[in-house]
Amino acid sequence: AQSVTQLGSHVSVSEGALVLLRCNYSSSVPPYLFWYVQYPNQGLQLLLKYTSAATLVKGINGFEAEFKKSETSFHLTKPSAHMSDAAEYFCAVSEIGANSKLTFGKGITLSVRP
Amino acid sequence: GAVVSQHPSWVICKSGTSVKIECRSLDFQATTMFWYRQFPKQSLMLMATSNEGSKATYEQGVEKDKFLINHASLTLSTLTVTSAHPEDSSFYICSARVGAGANVLTFGAGSRLTVL
Repeated sequence: AQSVTQLGSHVSVSEGALVLLRCNYSSSVPPYLFWYVQYPNQGLQLLLKYTSAATLVKGINGFEAEFKKSETSFHLTKPSAHMSDAAEYFCAVSEIGANSKLTFGKGITLSVRP
Repeated sequence: GAVVSQHPSWVICKSGTSVKIECRSLDFQATTMFWYRQFPKQSLMLMATSNEGSKATYEQGVEKDKFLINHASLTLSTLTVTSAHPEDSSFYICSARVGAGANVLTFGAGSRLTVL
């Protein structure tokens, strides 16, 4: 079985500040890991994914995440927050394989203060 | 890129009626689509996996007769909420797997159902 833990429900940062959204996973086999973003009343958009290649993954909109097996973590970061980054962020895990189900964390709301 | 279109984006219906939500892959074929339900400020809960040409696979606790899923073609899956009740009000999101290899999903924009 696999699971994702996203501690806290809300993160607030100032515009231009570092964004750090935490994600820890549990998986009995090597995982695929994902970060998705959801804007109000919209579906989810893929930010980035880890698929057992480079441990530091770069995604869209300046986001990146680092896979740390020893810490079972896949935290999402962005050096400088922009107002448009305000959204809901979901971390997700799946087993390796094209037909594996995705398990989502409960999500974190990111607010960006002017 | 791969696009999943979902319709309607919002619907209001009376209790006891049935509502159909469509999920289309616009520029690719999707043999498998997934239906999720999302409550306010909560994560996505997988309801069922829709397989083209065969029966859907439902997650534990999801009523098959309540949430009818049909995947009649490689580009269309439908979710019908039968005899809807207020507790069925939710945000329903479909997704499709894009390409082979990494388990990347493309999501529709979601359908907000309100049952009065």
